[in-house]
Amino acid sequence: GAGVSQTPSNKVTEKGKYVELRCDPISGHTALYWYRQSLGQGPEFLIYFQGTGAADDSGLPNDRFFAVRPEGSVSTLKIQRTERGDSAVYLCASSENRNTEAFFGQGTRLTVV
Amino acid sequence: AQTVTQSQPEMSVQEAETVTLSCTYDTSESDYYLFWYKQPPSRQMILVIRQEAYKQQNATENRFSVNFQKAAKSFSLKISDSQLGDAAMYFCAYRDSSGGSNYKLTFGKGTLLTVNP
Repeated sequence: GAGVSQTPSNKVTEKGKYVELRCDPISGHTALYWYRQSLGQGPEFLIYFQGTGAADDSGLPNDRFFAVRPEGSVSTLKIQRTERGDSAVYLCASSENRNTEAFFGQGTRLTVV
Repeated sequence: AQTVTQSQPEMSVQEAETVTLSCTYDTSESDYYLFWYKQPPSRQMILVIRQEAYKQQNATENRFSVNFQKAAKSFSLKISDSQLGDAAMYFCAYRDSSGGSNYKLTFGKGTLLTVNP
């Protein structure tokens, strides 16, 4: 596609539920990143994929968060047992490789009620 | 760890005037990249301008220019001839140019820019 696409644009879920957020990167980009942007803050790094593998997941806050990229293209960020503190905008970005400019999607705004 | 500080939560400017947004950072590296991103209400982060630390010349992109002071670890953004479409959140960001984590962007908290007609 022309740009990084994220779905859904907005997601409201109840505390304790499971959610999946999807990212469709720019075609041919091998590197993919997830960032989390809490209210009033800048984006914070969550995880970096190179191809199919998670090269760095050091930013995931706890084991309720997990991400996959099984075919080296689309990625899904999964959050189990959601908490109100998980409410944020989740941004996805992709780049040709780890050294080149990252292009961002429009994010998914997750609200946990 | 690298840190990025934006000390101005909000700024305002009159249309057609010039405004400068401030950013300071901390790093022990000698080579790195600095960025300014614009985030409009659509939430998409858009790259405005990029500076490579080894280049002494300040980057310029049309109405946007930076004042990069490496010794002072300062990286300000100047917007000339401000337009209504410039209104957005602006984030300063840092990235190592080499090494194990050179893919990772570190962002400041942002500055909300309002442009008054």
